[in-house]
Amino acid sequence: GAGVSQSPRYKVAKRGQDVALRCDPISGHVSLFWYQQALGQGPEFLTYFQNEAQLDKSGLPSDRFFAERPEGSVSTLKIQRTQQEDSAVYLCASSMGRLVGISGTDTQYFGPGTRLTVL
Amino acid sequence: SQQGEEDPQALSIQEGENATMNCSYKTSINNLQWYRQNSGRGLVHLILIRSNEREKHSGRLRVTLDTSKKSSSLLITASRAADTASYFCASPNNAGNMLTFGGGTRLMVKP
Repeated sequence: GAGVSQSPRYKVAKRGQDVALRCDPISGHVSLFWYQQALGQGPEFLTYFQNEAQLDKSGLPSDRFFAERPEGSVSTLKIQRTQQEDSAVYLCASSMGRLVGISGTDTQYFGPGTRLTVL
Repeated sequence: SQQGEEDPQALSIQEGENATMNCSYKTSINNLQWYRQNSGRGLVHLILIRSNEREKHSGRLRVTLDTSKKSSSLLITASRAADTASYFCASPNNAGNMLTFGGGTRLMVKP
């Protein structure tokens, strides 16, 4: 595909239910990121993969959140026993993964997000 | 936690006017990036300015960076209704593996 895709676009869950959110990055992109965006706020970092390795999960808010990227392409963010405070838009981004000169990063391309509402 | 704060939080202007948004950040940066987010859509990268640059242009966009004040501004000239969106500044950590975003400015351009 031409860009990052995410599914489902919208998810309504009852409190206590488990959910799984999928991200298909741009083909060939090494790096994959998950962000959480609360209503009216900027995105906040959750976790980062380089290929299949999860190199940083410092942003995951609790052990109910789990992310994987087993084959270094598609990634899944799983939230167990959802709570109302988990309601947010979950954004996935991918990048080529090459450092660019002194700037230290390359452009991240974002998907449309999954809007999760926990009732 | 958010790296930066943006002001204003909301801005409403008429088509054709210029829009200026400001971003302040807390820690030293390698570069600062600006993103646009249309309602219900993901973020789109607009422009990146490196820490050793003071000003950068891209089309109708002009970004400035003042590292002594830890601040940046985004100017959109001759605004159009299609520019209506939220605009975020963001900076990468030293490893370049995460972006820290500001709270965003919600811009409305009235036709």
